[in-house]
Amino acid sequence: EAQLVESGGGFVQPGGSLRLSCAASGFTFSTYSMNWVRQAPGKGLEWVSYIGVDTITKKYADSVKGRFTISKDNGKNSLSLQMNSLRAEDTAVYYCAVSVLRGVIITNAFDIRGQGTMVTVSS
Amino acid sequence: QSALTQPASVSGSPGQSITISCSGSGTDIGANNYVSWFQQHPDKAPKLIIFDVSYRPSGVSNRFSGSKSGNTASLTISGLQAEDEADYYCTSYTGSNTLLYVFGTGTKVTVL
Repeated sequence: EAQLVESGGGFVQPGGSLRLSCAASGFTFSTYSMNWVRQAPGKGLEWVSYIGVDTITKKYADSVKGRFTISKDNGKNSLSLQMNSLRAEDTAVYYCAVSVLRGVIITNAFDIRGQGTMVTVSS
Repeated sequence: QSALTQPASVSGSPGQSITISCSGSGTDIGANNYVSWFQQHPDKAPKLIIFDVSYRPSGVSNRFSGSKSGNTASLTISGLQAEDEADYYCTSYTGSNTLLYVFGTGTKVTVL
């Protein structure tokens, strides 16, 4: 069964940086696309970023474009999110998510399999 | 592109059936069959309960079912149980580079 463990969250001042990691196990990591999703305290879910199987195709929400960078290390079964120029509105729990397998087809759906890591941006 | 619209709250008695709607547009829900639903209990991570409109992941109760008509998706919970009390979010793939997935506003389900 797929398992994802996020880490790297913490407290940072506005303008600072953090690097989130997501350790994957229980599936063939290299054959799945991945996403980051976040949830601000008391708020709903928000898609943040996507990386394709090729590790080259990357997409970002407008709110983080130019500040966040997603990467995928298939050799280490690890997903990362480098977050620079952090703002108060980036405060949230960050979840990594894996694309979903339906039969033998990997669909455009994703599944959140970890507990998330909390990022707090405050002065 | 804005968030998908869900009712803020839905309630029902144990054993009843309830339906949560998720209204979008022709660029998200109406454009493909990649609608998912997540269940989230307080202080817990979201749990996928429906994907690709109507498929249930392994281990998810068959009391949960999904459907779609035009630009609106729906989640039905049959035989409502106390443990179903939670927040529910829909999400749809859009294909857009800057909003690849759009989420719903969320629905609080209360079991009376």
